[in-house]
This record gives sequence, C-alpha cells and structure tokens, in this order.
Amino acid sequence: NAGVTQTPKFQVLKTGQSMTLQCAQDMNHEYMSWYRQDPGMGLRLIHYSVGAGITDQGEVPNGYNVSRSTTEDFPLRLLSAAPSQTSVYFCASTVRTGATEAFFGQGTRLTVV
Amino acid sequence: GNSVTQMEGPVTLSEEAFLTINCTYTATGYPSLFWYVQYPGEGLQLLLKATKADDKGSNKGFEATYRKETTSFHLEKGSVQVSDSAVYFCALSDPSSGSARQLTFGSGTQLTVLP
Repeated sequence: NAGVTQTPKFQVLKTGQSMTLQCAQDMNHEYMSWYRQDPGMGLRLIHYSVGAGITDQGEVPNGYNVSRSTTEDFPLRLLSAAPSQTSVYFCASTVRTGATEAFFGQGTRLTVV
Repeated sequence: GNSVTQMEGPVTLSEEAFLTINCTYTATGYPSLFWYVQYPGEGLQLLLKATKADDKGSNKGFEATYRKETTSFHLEKGSVQVSDSAVYFCALSDPSSGSARQLTFGSGTQLTVLP
C-alpha cells in the first residue's frame, strides 16, 4: 500500500524558475493538503482540496498554485521561485468523515538559490 | 483563531529517562487533539489522538490526556529509547473553523535520546 507519494524528494531551483511538486495518494481520500515546514514554525498550510475540482487557500498561499483534476493527484506549482520558498514541503491526505488521521508523504526538500 | 504552543526544544535525554513534552492549545470550538512524530528523513506519522475531554490517547508507550480545563495535551513516556529520537508535533483540528480535516500544528520538539 503506497499511501501518499511525493516527487521529487530533493530539488534545487534558481530564483525565478517554476516547477511542480507532485503528490499522489491511493487511499481514495477526498481531502488533500500541502504544508511547508520551516525551522521553529511547525507546519503551515499552503492550499487544500476537499475533492476533485475544489481547492482553497490555507495560511500561506502566496506564490503557489494548486489544481485537483482527480481524486488521486494534487500537484503544487511554484510560479516564480524565490529564496523565501526554500523549505520542506509535505503533502497529506485525510479521510472524509470526522477529524481522523492525516497521512503524509515523505516530503520534498526545496532549495531556491 | 486556533493555535498550538509546544515546549521549546531540543530535548536531550538518556535512555530509560521519563519524557514530558508540554502542549497547550487555543481553539474557537471543541477540537480533536493529536501528536504526530517525524523520524529523520521521513514524513509525519500519527502517534496518538484524543477527541474529547478526559480521553487518553496511547501508542508505543506514549500517552497524552485531553485536559479541557487547562487546554493541554502533554505527551509522556515512562522510559524512552534511542529509537524514540525524532521530532514531535502537537496538533489540533477544529470543526468550528470550517473543516474538521484541517490541522493546526505546534512548532515541533526535537527529542534526542542518548544510549
């Protein structure tokens, strides 16, 4: 059972470049989300989706776009990378009913130079 | 809004020592509370959870009790092992905030256990 799969695991970008972080889950969860993890700040919500075709902003959405064309996939796009976006990014999926367990991917460590 | 405050780290203990990591929260509604653990190089995994006051979550020797009167959910373990070295995150979800599936995290506490 793969769970939540994120690619790539590591990435270095130059300022101004764009890229897409991939996230896929095979648990048929409707709710998916993207977080960034920065030292001393825990995880902060970037964007989330409650189902295919529906997305919304979280706490720190600026500079990021998302789409949800299928239940399985929830890619995160950096439009024009900035050094402030250097972080570790985690994708998560959660079952629909109740406040239950979130399943996380292994993360993508992104460095913007 | 909702927030979670965790004990500052890092925490370094000897094997078999007693562990407490403090966590307090503020929430507009009646939240569910969680502890997640992140081992080196991995994503977060649910360690334990509690959904109502006085519930005790437990797993792998770790325990935490939902204390509504003190808005706390402290993590404890009676005898830590080297394999417990990880970052621990306290988190909540609050249905009154619009989504029971959104998590608010604390800043994380790095635990290192020495042999």
